[in-house]
Amino acid sequence: GEQVEQLPSSLIVQEGASVLINCSYTDSASVYFPWYKQEPGKRLQFIIDIRSNMERKQNQRLTLLFDKKTKHLSLHITATQPGDSAIYFCSASNNRIFFGDGTQLVVKP
Amino acid sequence: DTTVKQNPRYKLARVGKPVNLICSQTMNHDTMYWYQKKPNQAPKLLLFYYDKILNREADTFEKFQSSRPNNSFCSLYIGSAGLEYSAMYLCASSRLDWAYAEQFFGPGTRLTVL
Repeated sequence: GEQVEQLPSSLIVQEGASVLINCSYTDSASVYFPWYKQEPGKRLQFIIDIRSNMERKQNQRLTLLFDKKTKHLSLHITATQPGDSAIYFCSASNNRIFFGDGTQLVVKP
Repeated sequence: DTTVKQNPRYKLARVGKPVNLICSQTMNHDTMYWYQKKPNQAPKLLLFYYDKILNREADTFEKFQSSRPNNSFCSLYIGSAGLEYSAMYLCASSRLDWAYAEQFFGPGTRLTVL
């Protein structure tokens, strides 16, 4: 079945820095790639998504890039703030959804 | 109201005893999901309901049951809890076109089996 891998598993940055979270998947049948974040003590929350017929999507400080050939995604967060501290989950979906193990981001003030 | 609710938030169970977890949503979503999440691991899909049709994952087929008496409610039932069932159980819902739709998650139920 589908396997989703995220790297790095954790990141610590200073406020204002940019970060890049990488995600790879194995099943070429996956067509939809939503990302979620989970702030400490809170529920998983949708943040951005992309479909397999797109290469790039931007939502404010978030940019999601998708490479169908290499089965790779990357989430770029600019001008990070302490409030961005959370675990970020990549996922891949066809008729099932599979999540990565998450990337823990800590943004220090 | 875009809230998914789960009850109870914490559940303590004895090995071999049944466990029933409840989820509700008022967004009139067609699809409801149950995930199991353990620390530092990915949420793992256990099963989902599309309308009244239950789909269970092959590797957890015999371990979990579910019911959906109406559009708003969905339960997760463990007939005989084992230590390995200790985890956070997440409920989520999404609209009709589930393969391309964001999911709305509940806060989770933390199950501890002793």
